[in-house]
Amino acid sequence: DAGITQSPRYKITETGRQVTLMCHQTWSHSYMFWYRQDLGHGLRLIYYSAAADITDKGEVPDGYVVSRSKTENFPLTLESATRSQTSVYFCASSDSAALGNQPQHFGDGTRLSIL
Amino acid sequence: QQQVKQSPQSLIVQKGGISIINCAYENTAFDYFPWYQQFPGKGPALLIAIRPDVSEKKEGRFTISFNKSAKQFSLHIMDSQPGDSATYFCAAPKRGGSNYKLTFGKGTLLTVNP
Repeated sequence: DAGITQSPRYKITETGRQVTLMCHQTWSHSYMFWYRQDLGHGLRLIYYSAAADITDKGEVPDGYVVSRSKTENFPLTLESATRSQTSVYFCASSDSAALGNQPQHFGDGTRLSIL
Repeated sequence: QQQVKQSPQSLIVQKGGISIINCAYENTAFDYFPWYQQFPGKGPALLIAIRPDVSEKKEGRFTISFNKSAKQFSLHIMDSQPGDSATYFCAAPKRGGSNYKLTFGKGTLLTVNP
C-alpha cells in the first residue's frame, strides 16, 4: 500500500543512548520532514529534506542528525538521547513544492520515551 | 521565527453547533494556509487549505475565512459532529522559506458532545 510508515511506533531508551527513528514513503515525494510534537508546543520542525542528499535544519535541530541516501527513506538519529527529547515524532512527505500548495502527508508517529 | 498564534487552546461544543478556531500570522510573502486535523494516535492530515486571493473557501461543513489585511484566518465547522472531535492545527509558511516549510499553531482540542 502506498503511504508513509514510521518505525518503531513506541520506543523506550535511556539517556546517553543512540536511537534511530525510521521513516519510509512509497510516493517518491521529493520533500520529507521530521517534526516533534509536545504538549503546549504543537508541531515543531526538526529537519527537512528537499531531495536525496539534500537536508537542512528546521526550528529545533540540536541533538538530532538526519540523512537521506534514498528518496524514500529519511531516518532521524538522536546521537546521545536526553530526557528533553522525550516526545512524539512525526515524519511527513510532500510532492515538489515549486509552486507551493502541496499538502504534507504524515505518518502515525513514534512515541519516544527517554528515561 | 515566524509565529502563528492559534486560539482557543480547547473548545467544547454541542452536536449541531458551530466550532470556530482562529489563527493569526506574521508578515509573509507566501500564500498557502492549511488546516490539519489530528485524531488520537494518528498523524495530522490535511483538512482544508486556502490561498489569500480568496476570502473564503468551503468544503462540506468546513469553511476557512481569510482576512489578509488583518493577517488572520479561521476555521468554521458547521453542524459539528462527535466525529469531528480532534485536535486542529493551522499553519502558515515560514518567512524567508517556501510554502513547504510551515510553522504550525499550537493546536486546538475540539470536543463535540453528543
